[in-house]
Amino acid sequence: AQSVTQLGSHVSVSEGALVLLRCNYSSSVPPYLFWYVQYPNQGLQLLLKYTSAATLVKGINGFEAEFKKSETSFHLTKPSAHMSDAAEYFCAVSDPGFNKFYFGSGTKLNVKP
Amino acid sequence: EAQVTQNPRYLITVTGKKLTVTCSQNMNHEYMSWYRQDPGLGLRQIYYSMNVEVTDKGDVPEGYKVSRKEKRNFPLILESPSPNQTSLYFCASSVGAGGQPQHFGDGTRLSIL
Repeated sequence: AQSVTQLGSHVSVSEGALVLLRCNYSSSVPPYLFWYVQYPNQGLQLLLKYTSAATLVKGINGFEAEFKKSETSFHLTKPSAHMSDAAEYFCAVSDPGFNKFYFGSGTKLNVKP
Repeated sequence: EAQVTQNPRYLITVTGKKLTVTCSQNMNHEYMSWYRQDPGLGLRQIYYSMNVEVTDKGDVPEGYKVSRKEKRNFPLILESPSPNQTSLYFCASSVGAGGQPQHFGDGTRLSIL
């Protein structure tokens, strides 16, 4: 079975600072990778996905993530944090040819004014 | 509007009383899935369905049942709920499995006393 590790259950940044949320996965083959965002009392919304095309993936709201096979990582970044980015972020993976999805434990992002 | 609708949104019930959480999508998606979200554990997949009459276990299927008699509906059934099934539940759907992003409902918060 896959496993997904998100380092840091809580991350706090100042408004305008770089956002870096970490995600590492375990897989012997490059999986499909996703980042989702969850605002309070809502479901998850897709930020971006990697499906074996370009290794640098751009998503909505200025977020991007880079797939690094050698590091089995898919870290999420945003150059300048905005107050509206405060939410919980989940990394998810799915192995090609399989139908299951695995989510990380989530990282809550706090943005300080 | 494309959406995944779950009902009820909130439910408090007692141990052993059978309950059903409904899920319906209006996007003609083939793939549907149920997750539970618990603090510190992220989302864990309970069951998924590739199409009508095709369902399979996710990572935490014990104590749950599902059915997929129509493409748009994927109810989650707890035949004899127990307190350890108190959780936040999400239904999701996508065009297919693997590399396809999922659309999530707004969640159902179940409390089993």
